Amino acid sequence: QVQLQESGPGLVKPSETLSLSCAVSGYSISSGYFWGWIRQPPGKGLEWIGSIFHSGTTYYNPSLKSRVTIPVERSKNQFSLNLSSVTAADTAVYYCARAPYYSHSDGHFRPYYFDYWGQGALVTVSS
Amino acid sequence: DIQMTQSPSSLSASVGDRVTITCRASQSISSYLNWYQQKPGKAPKLLIYGASYLQSGVPSRFSGSGSGTDFTLTISSLQPEDFATYSCQQSYSTLYTFGQGTKVEIK
Repeated sequence: QVQLQESGPGLVKPSETLSLSCAVSGYSISSGYFWGWIRQPPGKGLEWIGSIFHSGTTYYNPSLKSRVTIPVERSKNQFSLNLSSVTAADTAVYYCARAPYYSHSDGHFRPYYFDYWGQGALVTVSS
Repeated sequence: DIQMTQSPSSLSASVGDRVTITCRASQSISSYLNWYQQKPGKAPKLLIYGASYLQSGVPSRFSGSGSGTDFTLTISSLQPEDFATYSCQQSYSTLYTFGQGTKVEIK
């Protein structure tokens, strides 16, 4: 059974970099699927951050693209989220998730839906 | 950006009721529409993908329909465990967006 588990600091200072890891068990991230991050500010809706294909292709939310990277550590079967220059607006529960893909009419593979999720990690940005 | 608008934002219903939630996209997204259920303090759970395909393990009282810009999630007979927040999500554009959520509460 596929399982995802987020880990990382629960408190980050403003202007610093938020770093989270997502450990995957039950499936090799190098074998397929998109792997990505979604966040949810307290009391608000879900916001997609970005996704990375097993081949390395990435899609990022344009509103966060200048501050986000999603590196993959294949040897550990995990991927990470790095979000730089954080502010209080980045306070949220951060989820990692797996996404099967489809072939879009533009010829590229795209994430289709998020079928497995981690339990979520609350990250607070505060001094 | 493709905006996803759900209605209503919240509703009150009784066990056994038929419940319908609507999601409208700001432009056509074909059938690339997914539905999730989320309970307090928990991660979202996939219910429906591709507008109408039931995710494995999800009870058959959940169903989805629609294409283009208008979509519907229907719960045929509301059960106690169905009280939760439901969100739609489009996967047509490379900026994946969610609806604001519909909270289903006990009447």
